[in-house]
Amino acid sequence: DTAVSQTPKYLVTQMGNDKSIKCEQNLGHDTMYWYKQDSKKFLKIMFSYNNKELIINETVPNRFSPKSPDKAHLNLHINSLELGDSAVYFCASSQTGEETQYFGPGTRLLVL
Amino acid sequence: AQTVTQSQPEMSVQEAETVTLSCTYDTSESDYYLFWYKQPPSRQMILVIRQEAYKQQNATENRFSVNFQKAAKSFSLKISDSQLGDAAMYFCAYRRSEKLVFGKGTKLTVNP
Repeated sequence: DTAVSQTPKYLVTQMGNDKSIKCEQNLGHDTMYWYKQDSKKFLKIMFSYNNKELIINETVPNRFSPKSPDKAHLNLHINSLELGDSAVYFCASSQTGEETQYFGPGTRLLVL
Repeated sequence: AQTVTQSQPEMSVQEAETVTLSCTYDTSESDYYLFWYKQPPSRQMILVIRQEAYKQQNATENRFSVNFQKAAKSFSLKISDSQLGDAAMYFCAYRRSEKLVFGKGTKLTVNP
């Protein structure tokens, strides 16, 4: 009964490759997010979607492209991976009017 | 811009004792939400407690309580009767306009 799930949990890849991370929530929420946690544990918002519409895009390189096929899914595609993209990526969801965000388990991305 | 400051990179506490983690934030808003999240070694982000700024009463969840001082923009977390399972990174977060702004975290060690 996982509320917010992400796949894969671990991703090891070479520089220059393209990869995707998938996120699904079964909470019935209408808003989903991507956060990045760097090697110093600092968490920062990347994107937010509400009912499949992009509402937050925080100074993220164009190599990162989120896609929301429906309000239960928010995927993150990364082109031309760089060493600095190595991090843990968290998906989260919330419901408009309810301020709490619920997080997925995270995806640890390592770019070699 | 909203900022969140956690001035204690690391804290330690003896099992069964009480510990307080500090958090201050900067905002010009009057209506907002504050959160404490826990991140154990499993890396899952777990909501510990939340506080609505318009409520003067401090939030409490079992052994966890906050001391919310709106004028001072302070939001500390008190953990009573500390348990080994409380060992984790603790993040203070501020929410406004759909995104969470996190502090840099406090690593809590619980000594048996």
